[in-house]
Amino acid sequence: GAGVSQSPSNKVTEKGKDVELRCDPISGHTALYWYRQRLGQGLEFLIYFQGNSAPDKSGLPSDRFSAERTGESVSTLTIQRTQQEDSAVYLCASRASGRASYNEQFFGPGTRLTVL
Amino acid sequence: DAKTTQPTSMDCAEGRAANLPCNHSTISGNEYVYWYRQIHSQGPQYIIHGLKNNETNEMASLIITEDRKSSTLILPHATLRDTAVYYCIVRVSVSGSARQLTFGSGTQLTVLP
Repeated sequence: GAGVSQSPSNKVTEKGKDVELRCDPISGHTALYWYRQRLGQGLEFLIYFQGNSAPDKSGLPSDRFSAERTGESVSTLTIQRTQQEDSAVYLCASRASGRASYNEQFFGPGTRLTVL
Repeated sequence: DAKTTQPTSMDCAEGRAANLPCNHSTISGNEYVYWYRQIHSQGPQYIIHGLKNNETNEMASLIITEDRKSSTLILPHATLRDTAVYYCIVRVSVSGSARQLTFGSGTQLTVLP
């Protein structure tokens, strides 16, 4: 597709349930990022994938959070045993390699997660 | 990454230039100034970035002071669709280390008809 897509666009879940969020990056983009954005706040980095390198998981807030990416394609972010403080918009971004564009991240529309 | 300071909100009349300031007094010599914006309910969008020279692209101009301690993003002819939160960040721009973005609270720009 033309841009980064994410699904679902909205997810409402009950406290304690597991959720899985999906990101389809721009075709050919080697780098993929997950961020979290709470209402009225800036971005909070979660995890970064670059090609076949080990992911940078330094932003994951707890071991309830995990993410996977198959090659240079789809990524899934999984939150286990969700808590109310997990409620936020989860944004995915991808970036191409190459000097001309390596600093520009293209963002998806996000998944709004609400934990009741 | 150096910390940035931006006004919480600004208004601008449609068709006029919007000038958004950013202070980054602790910027290091190898840190770039980046601007992103986020329109309500959408993901952030890259606007422009620069090191020390002024930069211009199809969206905006970036004016960086000579001492690099502050910068101004200029939208030359603001439209209603430019209403968004604008984020100024400073970070090293080296392949392999240009990884995550960290945004502060930004400036809410409201373009008025």
